[in-house]
Amino acid sequence: DAKTTQPPSMDCAEGRAANLPCNHSTISGNEYVYWYRQIHSQGPQYIIHGLKNNETNEMASLIITEDRKSSTLILPHATLRDTAVYYCIVRYRRSTGGFKTIFGAGTRLFVKA
Amino acid sequence: GAVVSQHPSWVICKSGTSVKIECRSLDFQATTMFWYRQFPKKSLMLMATSNEGSKATYEQGVEKDKFLINHASLTLSTLTVTSAHPEDSSFYICSARAPTHYEQYFGPGTRLTVT
Repeated sequence: DAKTTQPPSMDCAEGRAANLPCNHSTISGNEYVYWYRQIHSQGPQYIIHGLKNNETNEMASLIITEDRKSSTLILPHATLRDTAVYYCIVRYRRSTGGFKTIFGAGTRLFVKA
Repeated sequence: GAVVSQHPSWVICKSGTSVKIECRSLDFQATTMFWYRQFPKKSLMLMATSNEGSKATYEQGVEKDKFLINHASLTLSTLTVTSAHPEDSSFYICSARAPTHYEQYFGPGTRLTVT
């Protein structure tokens, strides 16, 4: 699986958009970009994933560059409860299995009042 | 959505004893389960992958005799930390995948403290 690079920490003001970047320059054509987050002392929570197109759900938006070498997770209106470590992961997506999710260091997002 | 539970949520044990942590998929059958450990302020580290009915595959550097994994049914996997020592104190997280699902679903974690 391709590796990812994320800034170690970021701050965001409550109510503002949080934009979390991720670099995955070695991503292969069949690998998806996944985002998870982990709130202190809890298990990881799935946020969103995408292959080529931008994606949006009730939690966030995912913007993937045309060359797929980087992406940005956008939390449109960050709240204090969004303070967490955000992990960008690249992996295959197969119904037959044979994949495992490997976590990098992630970005520690602090949302401040 | 798919739910994965862990039991216990936290445990304290004495050095030298063994501790068993359970991971259950509550509303789906998990043919594959994953075990992770996480030290304070560190990322999750994959320990092993287990498929129902077969031996677990351990990641490099993880002692299989120290961390016994059993995946005896499609809804239950157990991790036993044998002869626990203080350095085994950590947050253990399991994850499960259904045979026709593309995704992994994570449990809430178990905090182990060895005194």
